[in-house]
Amino acid sequence: EPEVTQTPSHQVTQMGQEVILRCVPISNHLYFYWYRQILGQKVEFLVSFYNNEISEKSEIFDDQFSVERPDGSNFTLKIRSTKLEDSAMYFCASSEASYNEQFFGPGTRLTVL
Amino acid sequence: DQQVKQNSPSLSVQEGRISILNCDYTNSMFDYFLWYKKYPAEGPTFLISISSIKDKNEDGRFTVFLNKSAKHLSLHIVPSQPGDSAVYFCAARSGATNKLIFGTGTLLAVQP
Repeated sequence: EPEVTQTPSHQVTQMGQEVILRCVPISNHLYFYWYRQILGQKVEFLVSFYNNEISEKSEIFDDQFSVERPDGSNFTLKIRSTKLEDSAMYFCASSEASYNEQFFGPGTRLTVL
Repeated sequence: DQQVKQNSPSLSVQEGRISILNCDYTNSMFDYFLWYKKYPAEGPTFLISISSIKDKNEDGRFTVFLNKSAKHLSLHIVPSQPGDSAVYFCAARSGATNKLIFGTGTLLAVQP
């Protein structure tokens, strides 16, 4: 069964450093998403991406964040200058169409020291 | 942001019995609801969904009921199995957006 994959599974970084989280969505899906879950809190939407552009973003997704689909398979989330409060599980998701269910990857645990 | 609420943080059920997980929402613009299951150190796994034009959707042991007037939905698992033990998230979406709004989750423990 096709699935969303994410790398790395765990990323540790120093405050102020840049990180890139990588995702490979399901191959025939056209819509891509990033969510995050801070420990003990809800899963929160960050951004959705379609047709090589951001279709929607939350207030969390400020200028420190960017997304890119550099090739036909990868979808990345970059945090330019990490802060302590960026420590969270980051989940990538994809869907076939905008109205379909979203399928999630296993997540990347980001720890900012 | 309390648009989707799961008021029971945990639920314990005997194997073979019914598990009922509840979810309330406040935004009347929501028109699509989903349930996800999550094991530790894994991403949410899609279980079942329901459109606001329906009041019930069934898939095997899983049934979701939607009561629009009460802004309430529930997930029934019958019969419950030990492998169902996980955190269950309710999520909702309005037609104007793709983003999912999640509840806080309910930890289900199915006792053998």
